[in-house]
Amino acid sequence: RKEVEQDPGPFNVPEGATVAFNCTYSNSASQSFFWYRQDCRKEPKLLMSVYSSGNEDGRFTAQLNRASQYISLLIRDSKLSDSATYLCVVTPMDSSYKLIFGSGTRLLVRP
Amino acid sequence: SQTIHQWPATLVQPVGSPLSLECTVEGTSNPNLYWYRQAAGRGLQLLFYSIGIDQISSEVPQNLSASRPQDRQFILSSKKLLLSDSGFYLCAWSVLLAAGATDTQYFGPGTRLTVL
Repeated sequence: RKEVEQDPGPFNVPEGATVAFNCTYSNSASQSFFWYRQDCRKEPKLLMSVYSSGNEDGRFTAQLNRASQYISLLIRDSKLSDSATYLCVVTPMDSSYKLIFGSGTRLLVRP
Repeated sequence: SQTIHQWPATLVQPVGSPLSLECTVEGTSNPNLYWYRQAAGRGLQLLFYSIGIDQISSEVPQNLSASRPQDRQFILSSKKLLLSDSGFYLCAWSVLLAAGATDTQYFGPGTRLTVL
């Protein structure tokens, strides 16, 4: 089983739609969680950290469910510029220096 | 503010040739440094990480090596490239927070390597 699993998509949604991605992780001892965004042929960039109580940044909301070992990202009022691949990231149990990246979920927002 | 540089941006090399990719970080001291590879349409694979000068950990056996001759310089090398070495090579840095918590990693612009 992969340490971090994501639905590869693509999720194809119209502008203005609300879309949600889930990510599951296998290591219950994972401590840090992040969502990154990667545009085509570019480097990944931090979108937001995920806190236990859940957190919001504008149109983006991240949630953590430790009991079920999943992380979610909700995007409201989708924009064309939201089209990208969204990477779920967690820390492994054996090292606090490293991050484990999921393969990403691709989002396409159409006009 | 911190910045991370990688060069070259793109590279086309024949099979069997050597490789040297360089990454430098500015605006921070004693960063953790990382090399990743991303094959076309795939996720990020951690290749090496370093928590200090001359302290390198390898994640996967391969024909690549890494060195950290200076605090903010990280170099990825190969003596003989294979076709399977093609990919998008990303350098990243982070700062280890107190109590072992992991800070965010910040990526450089990457080097797109094609081995022919």
